[in-house]
Amino acid sequence: EVQLVESGGNLVQTGGSLRLSCTASGFTFRTYEMNWVRQAPGKGLEWVSYINSGGNTIYYTDSVKGRFTISRDNAKNSLYLQMNSLRAEDTAVYYCARVKDYGGRMDVWGKGTTVTVSS
Amino acid sequence: EIVMTQSPPSLPVTPGEPASISCRSSQSLLHNNGFNYFDWYLQKPGQSPQLLIYLGSNRASGVPDRFSGSGSGTDFTLKINRVEAEDVGVYYCMQALQAPYTFGQGTKLEIK
Repeated sequence: EVQLVESGGNLVQTGGSLRLSCTASGFTFRTYEMNWVRQAPGKGLEWVSYINSGGNTIYYTDSVKGRFTISRDNAKNSLYLQMNSLRAEDTAVYYCARVKDYGGRMDVWGKGTTVTVSS
Repeated sequence: EIVMTQSPPSLPVTPGEPASISCRSSQSLLHNNGFNYFDWYLQKPGQSPQLLIYLGSNRASGVPDRFSGSGSGTDFTLKINRVEAEDVGVYYCMQALQAPYTFGQGTKLEIK
């Protein structure tokens, strides 16, 4: 079964750090690009970051540039999001999603992991 | 940044009736390869988003043929030709032509 499972979400203080993980199974992870997408409570979807299959092309939304780092370990079928200098507005459910063919066409999504940033 | 504007924000529909959602982008989403880098997603209550339409008009695997996508450049439409109860949720458009990729604000479809 094709699956993505996120983990690492937690309650953290303002200014703190977290590392999210996304573990893939059921498909050849190393051949796919990946996205992180988040959803603040009661709000819409917000794209956060993209990484290509080799990990050498990376994009971020402006609000997380310089604070978040996306990476992947193809040998471990895993995607990561290192989140530093967290702010209250980073509070959200974070989804990882498999990308097919271009930056969009996200055809497989995980169930999400919850990040809560509080002072 | 490309801004995506969806309408309407809310859409009450009687089962069996058609429904239509529009999405407009602030810049053309037509890539020089001839494809529009534009998707539609549905987030059902309590679930993760799911892909409905990619490249503007291609139904994703397993999506019923009552869903169709059309449009090119800056104007796109999602149509449901006969709404069913299971279609409730929030529909989002998204552009992936240029980072930062951006979503529309969503259209909440509800059953009358």
